[in-house]
Amino acid sequence: NAGVTQTPKFQVLKTGQSMTLQCAQDMNHEYMSWYRQDPGMGLRLIHYSVGAGITDQGEVPNGYNVSRSTTEDFPLRLLSAAPSQTSVYFCASSYSIRGTGETQYFGPGTRLLVL
Amino acid sequence: KQEVTQIPAALSVPEGENLVLNCSFTDSAIYNLQWFRQDPGKGLTSLLLIQSSQREQTSGRLNASLDKSSGRSTLYIAASQPGDSATYLCAADYDGSSNTGKLIFGQGTTLQVKP
Repeated sequence: NAGVTQTPKFQVLKTGQSMTLQCAQDMNHEYMSWYRQDPGMGLRLIHYSVGAGITDQGEVPNGYNVSRSTTEDFPLRLLSAAPSQTSVYFCASSYSIRGTGETQYFGPGTRLLVL
Repeated sequence: KQEVTQIPAALSVPEGENLVLNCSFTDSAIYNLQWFRQDPGKGLTSLLLIQSSQREQTSGRLNASLDKSSGRSTLYIAASQPGDSATYLCAADYDGSSNTGKLIFGQGTTLQVKP
């Protein structure tokens, strides 16, 4: 299994540009989520999905859209990039939201710089 | 407000020492607590997950404990090695997270083990 994969690894955007961060998992996990990691702020939940066709907002959803058309993929779209969205983005997945001994698996991250 | 705190922010020890990393949480209604390792520029690797009904979990040289009544978790690393150098994050999953699966992360403790 490749686990959770993310592309690209690094991206530079100009203010106002849009882009999609890709996330895929091959573990047949129902639950997937996106976090951003910022110095002094830790990791914060952006959006999450409990299965194909179902998404919802997390703690810091503004400026981001998600969709879940398949179990495997959970892309994160930046609609109009702003410097405040400069961050490291992590995708995570688990078999379900809660289960016995359930753990969440994280991807390697995408480093985004918005100029 | 549900918060997770890790102290100290940084720790430097000589190789071979046994050490304890601390994590405290403000709300005892915790579902589980997870410890992660993050290497510089990398993603998060799950180390141990403790369910609320458990007191501790062990994996190799790592032992994590959970005390809900005091709002504390500790990660014990035995016989530390330079390869243990990384940032260690604890994350709490609360019952009251409205089934979002949201993990609330601490800021992390950056560990350096000197040869």
